[in-house]
Amino acid sequence: EAQVTQNPRYLITVTGKKLTVTCSQNMNHEYMSWYRQDPGLGLRQIYYSMNVEVTDKGDVPEGYKVSRKEKRNFPLILESPSPNQTSLYFCASSRGLANEQYFGPGTRLTVT
Amino acid sequence: GQNIDQPTEMTATEGAIVQINCTYQTSGFNGLFWYQQHAGEAPTFLSYNVLDGLEEKGRFSSFLSRSKGYSYLLLKELQMKDSASYLCAVRERSSNYQLIWGAGTKLIIKP
Repeated sequence: EAQVTQNPRYLITVTGKKLTVTCSQNMNHEYMSWYRQDPGLGLRQIYYSMNVEVTDKGDVPEGYKVSRKEKRNFPLILESPSPNQTSLYFCASSRGLANEQYFGPGTRLTVT
Repeated sequence: GQNIDQPTEMTATEGAIVQINCTYQTSGFNGLFWYQQHAGEAPTFLSYNVLDGLEEKGRFSSFLSRSKGYSYLLLKELQMKDSASYLCAVRERSSNYQLIWGAGTKLIIKP
């Protein structure tokens, strides 16, 4: 089944404790992206990747890192999480920029 | 600048028709997407418009007018399962062709 998976689905952590949210897709998509979704705001892009070893900042990259060492995986790293990073995070992938994006199920992160 | 506007919430009756509007102001329009998002779930793709006109797909249709910076999503024969948020997203050249998302329209269907 074609899908985007994210782990963990839910995470409660404390300020400053490094964490990684994994994202994997099995559709051989070149494009992958991370978004955060907060109430009353649209999806905001954190980072995106056009292909392996090619990543770029989105609208809200501060406090986040990503890597794209393999085509299927695009982990999101929070080196020192802060409470303002409490949010719902979505990973997405697509064949290209003009194509529909497929979203993972989301990761609900709470930083206390 | 980038600005996408959608109504925050709409209510409609089962079996009826509803139109959800999206207006945008962007630099270098390059396509508009509509996604559906049920509460607590991931967005799923509904439609894509890059040229003016109406795209029909079953009960859902999407319209685009580039000169007016305007799109709408039309949902016919509403069903209870259509209760969801509907997200408008615009791709623009000035943002490296990345999507700029509206805040979404929450659609409530009543029996």
